[in-house]
Amino acid sequence: AQSVAQPEDQVNVAEGNPLTVKCTYSVSGNPYLFWYVQYPNRGLQFLLKYITGDNLVKGSYGFEAEFNKSQTSFHLKKPSALVSDSALYFCAVRGNSGGYQKVTFGTGTKLQVIP
Amino acid sequence: EADIYQTPRYLVIGTGKKITLECSQTMGHDKMYWYQQDPGMELHLIHYSYGVNSTEKGDLSSESTVSRIRTEHFPLTLESARPSHTSQYLCASSGTYTDTQYFGPGTRLTVL
Repeated sequence: AQSVAQPEDQVNVAEGNPLTVKCTYSVSGNPYLFWYVQYPNRGLQFLLKYITGDNLVKGSYGFEAEFNKSQTSFHLKKPSALVSDSALYFCAVRGNSGGYQKVTFGTGTKLQVIP
Repeated sequence: EADIYQTPRYLVIGTGKKITLECSQTMGHDKMYWYQQDPGMELHLIHYSYGVNSTEKGDLSSESTVSRIRTEHFPLTLESARPSHTSQYLCASSGTYTDTQYFGPGTRLTVL
């Protein structure tokens, strides 16, 4: 069975500092990996995804994520955090071992950017 | 901004009432999903559909039911609401050849 782990319930970072939100996964076959962001009282918004190719994926709002196959990780990063980045971030994965497979979401990490 | 809509956005009802949460998308997506999420918490998949007349239960057991008579419409029904159903319900859709899901704004349900 596939799974996603977001080991930190909350990440605090000062405005202007780099941020990292961690995600590790377990899946059969090559993974499809996603990051979503949820602002208060809203649905989730797609940020970026990795399917194949370059391990560094660039997405919306200046975010990027690095796929590391040996460490089975897909950490979300941003060089300089903004207060408006404060939100709930979800990592998601699906396998690619044939047939239809559902996407599994992590438990979410609350990012708090401190002015 | 994705074209997926949910109504109502907020609903407060009494125990025992029948309710239907509406979800519509205009992107022609064949796959649609319902998630239950307590505020600030993880998502739980409760129903999904691969296309018209196709519905499946998700990972979290739910007393709700769904139907998919039209591609664009995926309503969720609770026959008899209870306080334990109080939660946020998120609808999402994705296309045939992609797993990128587009989410609606959610319905926050409170059952008194």
